[in-house]
Amino acid sequence: GQNIDQPTEMTATEGAIVQINCTYQTSGFNGLFWYQQHAGEAPTFLSYNVLDGLEEKGRFSSFLSRSKGYSYLLLKELQMKDSASYLCAGYNTDKLIFGTGTRLQVFP
Amino acid sequence: DADVTQTPRNRITKTGKRIMLECSQTKGHDRMYWYRQDPGLGLRLIYYSFDVKDINKGEISDGYSVSRQAQAKFSLSLESAIPNQTALYFCAAGTDYEQYFGPGTRLTVT
Repeated sequence: GQNIDQPTEMTATEGAIVQINCTYQTSGFNGLFWYQQHAGEAPTFLSYNVLDGLEEKGRFSSFLSRSKGYSYLLLKELQMKDSASYLCAGYNTDKLIFGTGTRLQVFP
Repeated sequence: DADVTQTPRNRITKTGKRIMLECSQTKGHDRMYWYRQDPGLGLRLIYYSFDVKDINKGEISDGYSVSRQAQAKFSLSLESAIPNQTALYFCAAGTDYEQYFGPGTRLTVT
């Protein structure tokens, strides 16, 4: 199967660090992707991992462990504008398979 | 300029009507995609295309058809709309590793 699981909702405080986990059960994924989607808007690309390890892009980092079927997105120095849904997606040969997304609310 | 545009942005139609959603992109990407998004179900792939002569079904293609009229244009049709096709529809264009999404079309079928 190609199930992708991530928490439905998370809350955090402005200035804090939050980790959004994503697990998947598949042997066919060639990469793991993270997208951000603000309410009513289009998803926008954040990061991807093809190999195991940590990829850092400013305040956002993404980690992948292919053997464990596990990824996370780490958001540092949270800002109010980071309140959004975060979509985990696996790349399978020629298309993305999305999870249902994690809605993050950042409070002052 | 937005890389990917969709028209219309909102549409209300009646059951049984034929409707077409249009998508255009300006960056010359070969790959284009149509998704629908429903609350609690995430983004699901309807159809995708790697060039004008290459069309592939996604996980939920029943009730939909597509046309890749040119590299820059990819349209989605609902031949006979039904209420459970009420959803937010996104078009995307991009590469293997990055997709750029249009602003979405909110479709309501009554």
